Amino acid sequence: GAGVSQSPSNKVTEKGKDVELRCDPISGHTALYWYRQSLGQGLEFLIYFQGNSAPDKSGLPSDRFSAERTGGSVSTLTIQRTQQEDSAVYLCASSVLAASYNEQFFGPGTRLTVL
Amino acid sequence: KNEVEQSPQNLTAQEGEFITINCSYSVGISALHWLQQHPGGGIVSLFMLSSGKKKHGRLIATINIQEKHSSLHITASHPRDSAVYICAVRSGDMRFGAGTRLTVKP
Repeated sequence: GAGVSQSPSNKVTEKGKDVELRCDPISGHTALYWYRQSLGQGLEFLIYFQGNSAPDKSGLPSDRFSAERTGGSVSTLTIQRTQQEDSAVYLCASSVLAASYNEQFFGPGTRLTVL
Repeated sequence: KNEVEQSPQNLTAQEGEFITINCSYSVGISALHWLQQHPGGGIVSLFMLSSGKKKHGRLIATINIQEKHSSLHITASHPRDSAVYICAVRSGDMRFGAGTRLTVKP
């Protein structure tokens, strides 16, 4: 596809369950970012991947959050033992490189609701 | 204090008015982004700046590195410009302002 895609678009889960969110970046983009936007809040950086380098996990809010990027393309963000405060829109973005001069292209997001 | 401050938080304008949204930041940055988030939630990158000024259609973005300040201007505003405008800076990772909700009335 032409843009960043994410799936599912909406996910409702029960507290304590694990969820997986998927991001397909633009083909050829080596940098991939995950962000979170809680209701009424601003965007929050979670993690980014650049090529085969170790990811920058500095934004992950707890050890229940993890992400991987297989084959330098698709990424999965996993939230274990979900809590109600995890409810948010999770956004993925990609860019050609992680360098500051490269524009990020955002996916449509996954809206996660934890009941 | 947030590292990225935007003002105003909310802005209502009449169609045709000139709009200015401001962003101030307190950290060293390598680039500043202006993003637009529509009511459906989709985010579009409008500009990426490291110095000077950029123009795209009715949108103009400026940055003053010394003053750590950027402005986004919309000329001849239109109802379809109604959205949340977000300032984001690259300082290692990305840090975001809280956004400015713009409503343009016909």
